[in-house]
Amino acid sequence: AQSVTQLGSHVSVSEGALVLLRCNYSSSVPPYLFWYVQYPNQGLQLLLKYTSAATLVKGINGFEAEFKKSETSFHLTKPSAHMSDAAEYFCAVRKAAGNKLTFGGGTRVLVKP
Amino acid sequence: SQTIHQWPATLVQPVGSPLSLECTVEGTSNPNLYWYRQAAGRGLQLLFYSVGIGQISSEVPQNLSASRPQDRQFILSSKKLLLSDSGFYLCAWTVSGGSPYNEQFFGPGTRLTVL
Repeated sequence: AQSVTQLGSHVSVSEGALVLLRCNYSSSVPPYLFWYVQYPNQGLQLLLKYTSAATLVKGINGFEAEFKKSETSFHLTKPSAHMSDAAEYFCAVRKAAGNKLTFGGGTRVLVKP
Repeated sequence: SQTIHQWPATLVQPVGSPLSLECTVEGTSNPNLYWYRQAAGRGLQLLFYSVGIGQISSEVPQNLSASRPQDRQFILSSKKLLLSDSGFYLCAWTVSGGSPYNEQFFGPGTRLTVL
């Protein structure tokens, strides 16, 4: 079954430091990959999605993700963390012909001043 | 533009009481609709999804049920709540058919506490 694994349920970064959130997927074919962000007591908001047009995908709020087929990864990065980046981040994958998304367990980001 | 609504925003219910959560989508037709639950420490769990009126697929056997009485209305129900039903319930929609790149759009959620 299609699945995603997010390494690290909690990540702590200093303001201004690099944010790196890891996501690995299990698939024998290029999947359809998404990153979402969830602020406290809110719904999920799309950050970016992989569309196969480019391996480096730019999203909102300065985030980007790189699709690496050889590593079956789609890690999310932001060069400089801001206090407003404190949230939970979810990686998700859809099967080619499916209606459903499978979500990773989520990574909660804490930004220290 | 499309908008998704959920209500109530918060709910506190005693064990054994019934439940009805409502989700409505505006600005689109024939969407795929989804119910998710976030319980503490358990990530995002898909409960039900629907590809059309009266068509419900259940992902997790439990004491919850879902219904879609109208094209853009999705209801989550229970006859008797359990403590384990506590959590944050999210409704989502996506364009039916079409590209697999289409993302899901999420509502603001309902916080349910069962005491």
